[in-house]
Amino acid sequence: KQEVTQIPAALSVPEGENLVLNCSFTDSAIYNLQWFRQDPGKGLTSLLLIQSSQREQTSGRLNASLDKSSGRSTLYIAASQPGDSATYLCAVSPLDQFYFGTGTSLTVIP
Amino acid sequence: GAVVSQHPSWVICKSGTSVKIECRSLDFQATTMFWYRQFPKQSLMLMATSNEGSKATYEQGVEKDKFLINHASLTLSTLTVTSAHPEDSSFYICSAARSGVNTGELFFGEGSRLTVL
Repeated sequence: KQEVTQIPAALSVPEGENLVLNCSFTDSAIYNLQWFRQDPGKGLTSLLLIQSSQREQTSGRLNASLDKSSGRSTLYIAASQPGDSATYLCAVSPLDQFYFGTGTSLTVIP
Repeated sequence: GAVVSQHPSWVICKSGTSVKIECRSLDFQATTMFWYRQFPKQSLMLMATSNEGSKATYEQGVEKDKFLINHASLTLSTLTVTSAHPEDSSFYICSAARSGVNTGELFFGEGSRLTVL
């Protein structure tokens, strides 16, 4: 069964710092990988979707990479802002369902 | 982007009652919808996969008679928590995949917080 791990579980950085969130998965037979943001008590907001044939996706200050062979993905956040404070979840999909990581709780200190 | 709406966003009920949560895709058709459950400070746990016009597929350990799922149309799936008990208190989130698009991208609702007294 696919297992998804996110490191670190929590991260606190000063505003303006660049940071990297890590996601690893045990089964490389995935269809895509998706990064989400979750604010407290809220649903999920999709940030980036990477198809299995792609290596990376960029949206604004966010860049996500995917290395299927090693079972890893990273989410790079440039010039972090207090509004980026949230829990970030990665999820991998063999198409018919998603397997979620446990998330990284990010706090950006003004 | 595609919008998924959940209702109610927050519900409190007495133990023994049943609660229905709706998940609607507002601007697209969704052949498949998923229901997740999230405990505090934990990740999402897939409960079941809902396919329009057929029975839902439940994950191991999820009681299908407890959590009734109906997906009667391409834009609506419902989750009914029957005879709710305090241990059913949780955050329930649905997601939908756009029909006919094979990117595998899912769109999530805002979630429904259930508190059973």
